[in-house]
Amino acid sequence: QKEVEQNSGPLSVPEGAIASLNCTYSDRVSQSFFWYRQYSGKSPELIMSIYSNGDKEDGRFTAQLNKASQYVSLLIRDSQPSDSATYLCAVDQYNNAGNMLTFGGGTRLMVKP
Amino acid sequence: DAGVTQSPTHLIKTRGQQVTLRCSPISGHKSVSWYQQVLGQGPQFIFQYYEKEERGRGNFPDRFSARQFPNYSSELNVNALLLGDSALYLCASSLEGGAWLEAFFGQGTRLTVV
Repeated sequence: QKEVEQNSGPLSVPEGAIASLNCTYSDRVSQSFFWYRQYSGKSPELIMSIYSNGDKEDGRFTAQLNKASQYVSLLIRDSQPSDSATYLCAVDQYNNAGNMLTFGGGTRLMVKP
Repeated sequence: DAGVTQSPTHLIKTRGQQVTLRCSPISGHKSVSWYQQVLGQGPQFIFQYYEKEERGRGNFPDRFSARQFPNYSSELNVNALLLGDSALYLCASSLEGGAWLEAFFGQGTRLTVV
């Protein structure tokens, strides 16, 4: 079973701090990695995609990818209470049935004012 | 531009019944994927369709089926509903087939089986 693992949390950080969210994956051939944000009762919203080793920055968000360690992370700088949500890591995987996007269970982030 | 639209938003069905969920992708997107999300878990892949052909299938029983129409909209059908089918069903659209492309989700259909 190819897996995507995340710490379920909750991860609690004070307002203005850096939140660090981590994800590991088991399929070495995966090439595409995504972070989604999901507010309670809502659908997932794509916030970052990353395909190459290293860092990718978009506003307050930075995605980091290390394919050798099979590790992808999301940093949120200057965390705001509105960032409180569940963050889902997703990885493209291949099996006999085709190419699919596999999600981790999500990390719940709580930003305290 | 309209995003991914799903209908209905909420649905209550009885065990053993059948249900059809509908999805319209973002304009210009040709691929639709379906996911099931049980409370407290991440979405699980059910199907991907591209150009009306099935391009991927997750580990779901044959009671689950889907199709894509010439206008790229899609339907997910679930037969012989079980209590365990209660979940949020999500549709995602992407420009083309393949999970390496960015996928954007609709608001979901909340299915409750009683």
